[in-house]
Amino acid sequence: DAGVTQSPTHLIKTRGQHVTLRCSPISGHKSVSWYQQVLGQGPQFIFQYYEKEERGRGNFPDRFSARQFPNYSSELNVNALLLGDSALYLCASSAPGSHNEQFFGPGTRLTVL
Amino acid sequence: GESVGLHLPTLSVQEGDNSIINCAYSNSASDYFIWYKQESGKGPQFIIDIRSNMDKRQGQRVTVLLNKTVKHLSLQIAATQPGDSAVYFCAENKNDYKLSFGAGTTVTVRA
Repeated sequence: DAGVTQSPTHLIKTRGQHVTLRCSPISGHKSVSWYQQVLGQGPQFIFQYYEKEERGRGNFPDRFSARQFPNYSSELNVNALLLGDSALYLCASSAPGSHNEQFFGPGTRLTVL
Repeated sequence: GESVGLHLPTLSVQEGDNSIINCAYSNSASDYFIWYKQESGKGPQFIIDIRSNMDKRQGQRVTVLLNKTVKHLSLQIAATQPGDSAVYFCAENKNDYKLSFGAGTTVTVRA
């Protein structure tokens, strides 16, 4: 069974650039969440989308945006990259009504130089 | 800011022994507390959750204890195995979509 997939695996950008990260949820999961994990810390919630609508947003600036497509895949966009945006970006999907058990992808490692 | 935090950032345990990982929380309004495991190069993996009106819940080789009086959560792993080496996170959920994670405890299993 395919789990949550994310692309790309690694990415190197320079300050001021923008980046688009992609996520495909587990088949049948309609909810996708995005988290940022800085080295040595726990994941921090960025967004959740359900049925193509934003359900919630964490404490991140407007440079961060996301969307969900009809096939429930999702994109995370970050504009005007800062050095502090360097992190592992994790995508997770969950089954309806199962908010605690989120299935995480392997993440995209973003390095901003 | 974080409302869950772990007591110790690292834990070394002998293979076959029991492991205990501790976590403190400050948000009494959370409906669920959850433990995740993250192996190197992978995303976090759900282990077990406990509803806030429970004191104890058992899974396969794992037990989670919740002490609401002192706002303390622990994960016990029985007969620790090399495959248990990972970073363990406690998290809380107010029965909605957002998980709030603590900083993590790195567990190393000695052969």
